[in-house]
Amino acid sequence: KNQVEQSPQSLIILEGKNCTLQCNYTVSPFSNLRWYKQDTGRGPVSLTIMTFSENTKSNGRYTATLDADTKQSSLHITASQLSDSASYICVVSHAAGNNRKLIWGLGTSLAVNP
Amino acid sequence: SQTIHQWPATLVQPVGSPLSLECTVEGTSNPNLYWYRQAAGRGLQLLFYSVGIGQISSEVPQNLSASRPQDRQFILSSKKLLLSDSGFYLCAWGGIGGEQYFGPGTRLTVT
Repeated sequence: KNQVEQSPQSLIILEGKNCTLQCNYTVSPFSNLRWYKQDTGRGPVSLTIMTFSENTKSNGRYTATLDADTKQSSLHITASQLSDSASYICVVSHAAGNNRKLIWGLGTSLAVNP
Repeated sequence: SQTIHQWPATLVQPVGSPLSLECTVEGTSNPNLYWYRQAAGRGLQLLFYSVGIGQISSEVPQNLSASRPQDRQFILSSKKLLLSDSGFYLCAWGGIGGEQYFGPGTRLTVT
């Protein structure tokens, strides 16, 4: 079964600290993996997208890693800010011929406190 | 640049009433369009996608329907709402398996 599991479910950190969010997937065949940030009551916004051959990608203070062998990804946030408080969702694109679908994780809810 | 609009932003409807949510995209032509629902504590669930005018694919059997009367307009409808239709409805545009860009969403509460 194609699944995307994220951990932790929720996380509270202090402003300025770093944190790492995890994503494990069982999607096969794999096309790409994305991380989205979703503010409360808003639509998701893409942070990074990685294909099979990429093992790291950065977007400002956000750095995503991908290990296609172990089917794991992480999102590292450096020097967190209050505006980083949001849900972070891992999404894997399932590539089956011409019918590509996105398999969505449930997200990690991050709260950055002053 | 491309922008995507959804309205209304919030909606409270009684059980059994009809529903119409609208999504429009600007700044691109012939986009792939998507309707998602995000229920509390659940991940995003793809409801419908469209690759062109009048072309609708349904992902999950349900009480909802979708239509694409114009290239950049996508409508989500229901004839009779159920309590289980409550959720956060998101419209997106993009490519199948490619990047998707989301609208601001509509919070629907069925009472």
